[in-house]
Amino acid sequence: GAGVSQTPSNKVTEKGKYVELRCDPISGHTALYWYRQSLGQGPEFLIYFQGTGAADDSGLPNDRFFAVRPEGSVSTLKIQRTERGDSAVYLCASSLSRVDEKLFFGSGTQLSVL
Amino acid sequence: AQSVTQLGSHVSVSEGALVLLRCNYSSSVPPYLFWYVQYPNQGLQLLLKYTSAATLVKGINGFEAEFKKSETSFHLTKPSAHMSDAAEYFCAVSARNAGGTSYGKLTFGQGTILTVHP
Repeated sequence: GAGVSQTPSNKVTEKGKYVELRCDPISGHTALYWYRQSLGQGPEFLIYFQGTGAADDSGLPNDRFFAVRPEGSVSTLKIQRTERGDSAVYLCASSLSRVDEKLFFGSGTQLSVL
Repeated sequence: AQSVTQLGSHVSVSEGALVLLRCNYSSSVPPYLFWYVQYPNQGLQLLLKYTSAATLVKGINGFEAEFKKSETSFHLTKPSAHMSDAAEYFCAVSARNAGGTSYGKLTFGQGTILTVHP
């Protein structure tokens, strides 16, 4: 596609539920990143994929958060037992290669945990 | 460890006036520095980046930034503001892997919202 696509754009869930957020990167981009942006803050790094593997998952806050990229393209961020503190905009970005810092960001998924 | 501080969460200028958005960084290695812009309802997009070449970096839409090591600063400027520049601006510094290569793991500042008045 023309840009990074994230679905859904908005997700409202109840505390304790499971959610999946999807990212479709720019075609041909091998590197994929997930960031989280809380209200009034800058984006915070969660995880980085190079191809199918997670090269750096040091930003995942705890084991309720997990992400996959099984075929090296689309990625899914999974959050178990959601908490109100998980409410934020989840951003996905891709770049052409692992050493390219020029990130192309999607518009994000606004997650609201009630 | 790396960090970025953006001074001023809100900056307001008149159309045609100078834009100055401040960013100071802390890094244990020579930094790679970035400015990203977020327009309403759009994803962040790269304005410019510094990767240890020229200290004055020119970006898109007439913006530029100067890397000053002695001041640990990377302030963003534009000589004449346009209404279309109204957006949120983020300064960021990149991490390095064990081999010293930079990649897209960025530490962002808190952002500065730029308002442009007619």
